[in-house]
Amino acid sequence: AQSVTQLDSQVPVFEEAPVELRCNYSSSVSVYLFWYVQYPNQGLQLLLKYLSGSTLVKGINGFEAEFNKSQTSFHLRKPSVHISDTAEYFCAVSDLRDTGGFKTIFGAGTRLFVKA
Amino acid sequence: EPEVTQTPSHQVTQMGQEVILRCVPISNHLYFYWYRQILGQKVEFLVSFYNNEISEKSEIFDDQFSVERPDGSNFTLKIRSTKLEDSAMYFCASSVTSPPTQYFGPGTRLLVL
Repeated sequence: AQSVTQLDSQVPVFEEAPVELRCNYSSSVSVYLFWYVQYPNQGLQLLLKYLSGSTLVKGINGFEAEFNKSQTSFHLRKPSVHISDTAEYFCAVSDLRDTGGFKTIFGAGTRLFVKA
Repeated sequence: EPEVTQTPSHQVTQMGQEVILRCVPISNHLYFYWYRQILGQKVEFLVSFYNNEISEKSEIFDDQFSVERPDGSNFTLKIRSTKLEDSAMYFCASSVTSPPTQYFGPGTRLLVL
């Protein structure tokens, strides 16, 4: 069965410090992996995605993530965070179902809180 | 830049009433989705829709829910008889192809009293 685990519910970090938000998944088939950011009272914005190819993917706002198939992980990183990065971050996994449709499962989210 | 839009932004309804949430996906997209997010919880998949039919649905998407693309631009989610536990933020998303890079709308906050 498909599942996504975000290991940290909250991550407090000081401004300009590096951060890693962890995501592990399980799926019986090939998957497509995504990170979304949700600012307060807003919708979901795509940060980055892994579909195939290079396992290191770069996204918007200086974020990057590395797909590790052996560890079934897709951790999100940023070398230096800003106050404006304070938001909820969701890891998501999509896989192709027998029906031909895609089903996307989201993790529970990690609240990144950047302190001055 | 094209974006997914949703109306209304907020809706308050009485338990047992029918509600229709509306979405206008990005114009060249072919795949459409609905998700919900109960306050403080994770985003949950409801349904995906392609070629005028449901391609995948979750266990949440029971007989009280239905989706429709009535006119080639709108994509609607209908809840026939709302329950208190239907109170949530409902997000529409669309993608141009598969695998799905989905673009989300701003959401409709539904409150059932």
